[in-house]
Amino acid sequence: QQQVKQSPQSLIVQKGGISIINCAYENTAFDYFPWYQQFPGKGPALLIAIRPDVSEKKEGRFTISFNKSAKQFSLHIMDSQPGDSATYFCAACRIQGAQKLVFGQGTRLTINP
Amino acid sequence: DSGVTQTPKHLITATGQRVTLRCSPRSGDLSVYWYQQSLDQGLQFLIQYYNGEERAKGNILERFSAQQFPDLHSELNLSSLELGDSALYFCASSVDSRSGNTIYFGEGSWLTVV
Repeated sequence: QQQVKQSPQSLIVQKGGISIINCAYENTAFDYFPWYQQFPGKGPALLIAIRPDVSEKKEGRFTISFNKSAKQFSLHIMDSQPGDSATYFCAACRIQGAQKLVFGQGTRLTINP
Repeated sequence: DSGVTQTPKHLITATGQRVTLRCSPRSGDLSVYWYQQSLDQGLQFLIQYYNGEERAKGNILERFSAQQFPDLHSELNLSSLELGDSALYFCASSVDSRSGNTIYFGEGSWLTVV
């Protein structure tokens, strides 16, 4: 019940295209869903996060779509750029209590120029 | 630069040995987290401290222990090391322990057990 399943494992997108990464969770108690971006040799960095009281959140070229009934959420990167090439992790946790993030397995995104 | 400092960056040690990983959180952050990243298990939460007190435990082995000192830096102690403990260990910090506060990750400590 603690799992967060992420797909695809790897993704290749042409520059200017839309990158879409999907995640599904099982624990209905989760109510905070962040996305992290990790470059080689670096730690994960928070990209954008959403709470289930909204179905979509947009920050620049990055959008999270959230479907509470399906227990799914996704990251959309519009106008993908080579500099977006990184590994992306979705995560989930409960707002109450400690922030024990449960991470997806990660998606290695490559943006071809 | 996240402001979270981890040392050492790389460490190679033999099976059965003990190592200590050190973390300095961002200035002003009271909460420290330890995560393990490996190819097969992904990013796994190990343990969290808040202002010196243990706040939450995850999939941390009994051979592993951690503490947070009065100056808020934290150490993760790994003992009786096994080959499977080879991984990237991240420290992270946040202002407090409430979910929704941004967690900032360090660059990690690469541990190789041979």
